[in-house]
Amino acid sequence: KNEVEQSPQNLTAQEGEFITINCSYSVGISALHWLQQHPGGGIVSLFMLSSGKKKHGRLIATINIQEKHSSLHITASHPRDSAVYICAATPQGAQKLVFGQGTRLTINP
Amino acid sequence: DSGVTQTPKHLITATGQRVTLRCSPRSGDLSVYWYQQSLDQGLQFLIQYYNGEERAKGNILERFSAQQFPDLHSELNLSSLELGDSALYFCASSVGPPSRDLSSYNEQFFGPGTRLTVL
Repeated sequence: KNEVEQSPQNLTAQEGEFITINCSYSVGISALHWLQQHPGGGIVSLFMLSSGKKKHGRLIATINIQEKHSSLHITASHPRDSAVYICAATPQGAQKLVFGQGTRLTINP
Repeated sequence: DSGVTQTPKHLITATGQRVTLRCSPRSGDLSVYWYQQSLDQGLQFLIQYYNGEERAKGNILERFSAQQFPDLHSELNLSSLELGDSALYFCASSVGPPSRDLSSYNEQFFGPGTRLTVL
């Protein structure tokens, strides 16, 4: 079993829909990251969080440390949000990242 | 633009060959991380350097090695290449330093990647 699990693996939605991607992890962590990878391959860090909730524009990330679960929400989704979203954990005492398998999001106009 | 640069962008080579991938971290960042992204295994941590010293090792094969130079750029050397080494190789940097103090963790910034194709 992977230390970081994401669901769903693939998600297709219509423009304007509210999107939720889930991430569960089995190790103690010092930080949880959400990354975005566009079709060209480049990776962008969206959020790094260790508790509570963070918001940036239409993106919201939450984490529940007790339940070892994080969610990434996208409000008013747009075709340009189409990308692979990757959850990654920083295990306690380390600075490397352990990655989930990614969620491929497609937003249709 | 993250401020992390990687060269080359694409590399095509043959089995058995040796290649060097280069990474320049963001200005001021002392930590460099190397990651491999293959189709079957996803993203995996390879190795981390901080201010010239190796700090952590992940799933890095013995055929692979890396170093960080005094000017803080890093190189990942891949030798005796196999078909299965074809992947995207990402470098990331952070301010650092590696520490047991959880509050000192720093966000990582990713380079654009080097796409390696082994034929």
